[in-house]
Amino acid sequence: EDQVTQSPEALRLQEGESSSLNCSYTVSGLRGLFWYRQDPGKGPEFLFTLYSAGEEKEKERLKATLTKKESFLHITAPKPEDSATYLCAVGEYGNKLVFGAGTILRVKS
Amino acid sequence: NAGVTQTPKFQVLKTGQSMTLQCAQDMNHEYMSWYRQDPGMGLRLIHYSVGAGITDQGEVPNGYNVSRSTTEDFPLRLLSAAPSQTSVYFCASSLAGGENEQYFGPGTRLTVT
Repeated sequence: EDQVTQSPEALRLQEGESSSLNCSYTVSGLRGLFWYRQDPGKGPEFLFTLYSAGEEKEKERLKATLTKKESFLHITAPKPEDSATYLCAVGEYGNKLVFGAGTILRVKS
Repeated sequence: NAGVTQTPKFQVLKTGQSMTLQCAQDMNHEYMSWYRQDPGMGLRLIHYSVGAGITDQGEVPNGYNVSRSTTEDFPLRLLSAAPSQTSVYFCASSLAGGENEQYFGPGTRLTVT
């Protein structure tokens, strides 16, 4: 069964305290790995797509990396405005995205 | 561009009532989809469409109907609402197909009593 598992479920950081979120997956026919940010009461907002092991993408304080079994979202020197739920999803053959349950990030000033 | 829009934003139904959640996009995307989001669970795919006149079931299709008469619109119908359908519903669209990045609407929070 295809699965996407995110850890930790919740993460509390002090402003400036760097950390990483993990997304591990077991899917057949991976077509891409996607990271989204979701603010309370809003729809997910697309951040990154990664297609192959070793690939990296960066946006401001966020950097996403991909291996054959997992992806990391590294957050460098986070600010309170980075607080959100971060969702990971994998694309597979058959027009599907399979989502993980998300990591709730809280950054305190 | 408005992107993906959804109406209503909130809805309360009684068990057995029916209703339609509206979704529209102005990006000329062929692929559109409906997800539900429940606490502690990932977004789960209900139905999707790869173009006007073509729809297919996702992971949790029971109790829901869809149709796609135009590229822009993809309504989701609840036939006979049940408390288990209490959830937040998101519509999404994609230029390059369902296995690629999708763009989400703001969601509809539905409560069934």
